[in-house]
Amino acid sequence: AQSVTQPDIHITVSEGASLELRCNYSYGATPYLFWYVQSPGQGLQLLLKYFSGDTLVQGIKGFEAEFKRSQSSFNLRKPSVHWSDAAEYFCAVERGGADGLTFGKGTHLIIQP
Amino acid sequence: EAGVTQFPSHSVIEKGQTVTLRCDPISGHDNLYWYRRVMGKEIKFLLHFVKESKQDESGMPNNRFLAERTGGTYSTLKVQPAELEDSGVYFCASSPLLAGGYNEQFFGPGTRLTVL
Repeated sequence: AQSVTQPDIHITVSEGASLELRCNYSYGATPYLFWYVQSPGQGLQLLLKYFSGDTLVQGIKGFEAEFKRSQSSFNLRKPSVHWSDAAEYFCAVERGGADGLTFGKGTHLIIQP
Repeated sequence: EAGVTQFPSHSVIEKGQTVTLRCDPISGHDNLYWYRRVMGKEIKFLLHFVKESKQDESGMPNNRFLAERTGGTYSTLKVQPAELEDSGVYFCASSPLLAGGYNEQFFGPGTRLTVL
């Protein structure tokens, strides 16, 4: 069975600093990989996705993620965070097609002024 | 265009009672998914509808949970009777039914269920 690990429950970053959120997955093949963000009172919003091809993917709001097959990782990065980035971030995988997603436990991002 | 909507936003019930959650997907989306997040745990897949048919209900925890999607539009998730461990946030998501590739799932804001 596939699984997703987000080792950091909380991360605190100063505004303007760089950010990296970690995600490791367990799956027999290369799954579809996603990062979602949830702001308070909102639904989950897709930041970016990886299916195949270029292992560095660009998403919305200035985020990017890099797929590393050898490490089974799909870490999310942003060069300079803004106070509005404070939210909970979820890494997810899918076997393919229109299956349900398997999520990690999420990482709360706290932005310090 | 309206997004995925869920009703109610919050529900507080006592153990043994029945609760029905509703999800209205984005118009025209044939795929509809239910997920649940129990406090401190990850968001877990419950089931997947394609139009009115259950495509995959492997994530439903037990037979106290009943999901329906009559007419292939909105969906309901009934919990009867509710237990303490059913507390959590229930998310609904929808996506279009397109051939090939991945269809992005659009999520609703969730229903927070508290069972006392």
